[in-house]
Amino acid sequence: DAGVIQSPRHEVTEMGQEVTLRCKPISGHNSLFWYRQTMMRGLELLIYFNNNVPIDDSGMPEDRFSAKMPNASFSTLKIQPSEPRDSAVYFCASSLETQYFGPGTRLLVL
Amino acid sequence: QKEVEQNSGPLSVPEGAIASLNCTYSDRGSQSFFWYRQYSGKSPELIMFIYSNGDKEDGRFTAQLNKASQYVSLLIRDSQPSDSATYLCAVKPLTSYDKVIFGPGTSLSVIP
Repeated sequence: DAGVIQSPRHEVTEMGQEVTLRCKPISGHNSLFWYRQTMMRGLELLIYFNNNVPIDDSGMPEDRFSAKMPNASFSTLKIQPSEPRDSAVYFCASSLETQYFGPGTRLLVL
Repeated sequence: QKEVEQNSGPLSVPEGAIASLNCTYSDRGSQSFFWYRQYSGKSPELIMFIYSNGDKEDGRFTAQLNKASQYVSLLIRDSQPSDSATYLCAVKPLTSYDKVIFGPGTSLSVIP
């Protein structure tokens, strides 16, 4: 199995631009998680899905952030408009009983 | 009180020594416990999980769980410089759709 796949691996954008992060979970896993990690705040859970349904989005920082899971093999996290304070590493993880992480997307908003 | 706490680091041990990483949790109903290792610039990697009280061994790693004390630990025997990383404790609440609560992590440095 290829594991959790995320794209892009790196993203540099300017403030105000829309950013879309993508994730392909491990086949057969029924839960998907989006995390953000910074030195200051550590690993934060933003939102998670079970069977493609959002279960808890209480970690989404504000309305600029949105996430979708249109099917079992794909999810997106969108930031619109992006701000410099959104700069972080964004991880996607999937699970059946245990979470496995993707390689992450390093986002830098200038 | 934070839901999952870990001993503050950074923790430094000499090569060949035993590294002891500790974690406490507040939800007494928690059932599953995980240890992740995260190298700098990489994603968290699952290294151990434990569900029952007692010890669970996997190579040089031993996870210890004491539900009565709400305490889980990770011992690394014969520590190697390649073990230098941040170790994240994660706890799954009783009903969670596989959501886990992560601790802040402990940075371990193994000195050659």
